[in-house]
Formats: sequence, structure tokens, C-alpha cells
Amino acid sequence: NAGVTQTPKFQVLKTGQSMTLQCAQDMNHNSMYWYRQDPGMGLRLIYYSASEGTTDKGEVPNGYNVSRLNKREFSLRLESAAPSQTSVYFCASTPDPGTGSEQFFGPGTRLTVL
Amino acid sequence: AQSVTQLGSHVSVSEGALVLLRCNYSSSVPPYLFWYVQYPNQGLQLLLKYTSAATLVKGINGFEAEFKKSETSFHLTKPSAHMSDAAEYFCAVSAWGGSEKLVFGKGTKLTVNP
Repeated sequence: NAGVTQTPKFQVLKTGQSMTLQCAQDMNHNSMYWYRQDPGMGLRLIYYSASEGTTDKGEVPNGYNVSRLNKREFSLRLESAAPSQTSVYFCASTPDPGTGSEQFFGPGTRLTVL
Repeated sequence: AQSVTQLGSHVSVSEGALVLLRCNYSSSVPPYLFWYVQYPNQGLQLLLKYTSAATLVKGINGFEAEFKKSETSFHLTKPSAHMSDAAEYFCAVSAWGGSEKLVFGKGTKLTVNP
């Protein structure tokens, strides 16, 4: 099993450009999450999908959209990138939300917006 | 609502010394508590978790943590630090019966000196 995979690993954008970060998991997990990590801030939740067909905002959703394409895939879209979105983005998944099951994390996408 | 405070953004110990990383949480409902480790340029990996089965939780790589409800704490310890323990450590909390949204602390970077 590959676990949680993310593409791309690195990306440089100019202000105003758009892009989609891809995430897939092969563990048949129900819930998926997108976080951003900034120095000294820990990880902050952007959006999550508790189950296929549902998505909800997290702590910092402004400037982002998500799509739960199917049970495996959960994408994050930046419609008009801003320098404040320079960050490392992590996707995660968990099998049984609300039961204390751990989240499994992908390797991250390092995004720079110039 | 849940929140996590990690005391000390940087902790430095000598190889062989005790490691103590502090985590205090706030939760209006019984919590699930997690410690994750992040090695440079990698995703997060679960060290251990508390899900109410036992207050002293043992994890991987010789780490353990004790849940103290009266102190709202979940401090991480290891009796003898190894050079390979150098990493960033994150404490996180989620709520029972919720969507497994994790709220992370800001992280503690552990340095191990030879």
C-alpha cells in the first residue's frame, strides 16, 4: 500500500495563478483532510471531508476550494494564489472519524507563491 | 471547542538525558489526544495516542505519555534521548464522536546534543 500520496511535491506559482493539489489514499478510509503548516503555527485545518460526498470548512478555508472526487481522492484548489498561501500543505486520512483513530499523513506539497 | 498548548517551541537535551515535552489541552468534552513526530522534510508520523483505555500510553521509539485529567496535561517523555530523536513534535486533540478534526499545538523542536 502506498498510503497517502500527494502531487506535486514542489510548486512555484506567481500571484494570481491557479492550481490544484492532488491527494489520494489507498486504505479505504472514510475521512480526508487538508492542512497547511507554517513555521511556528503548527498545522491548521483548511477543509475536511468526513465521508464521500461531504466537505466542510476548517479553521483557515479562505482562498481555497476542495473536491472529494471519490472515496480515494480529495483535491485542494487555489483559484487565485496569493503570497500568504506560501506554505507546506499536508493531506491526511482516517478510517473511523470520532473514534480516536489516527490520521495518516502524506509527504506534503511545498508551495511558494511569488 | 478544543485547543492545545505546547510549552517551549525549542527543547535541547544531551544524548542519554531525559526528554520531556509538555502538552496541555482544553476540551469541553472527553478528548482523544495524540503525539505526532515530524522529521525534516517529511510528513507526520503517529508516536502514540490516548483513547481512554489507559492513562499511561506507550508509543514507538521508547516514548510514552501520561494523561492527567486533573492537570489537563499529556506530556511526552523518553528516559534516554538518542540522536535520532531530533525532530519536531506535535501534540493534538480531537473530540469524541466528532469528525476527527485534529487541533494541533504549535510544535516543539527537539535538539539532541552529543
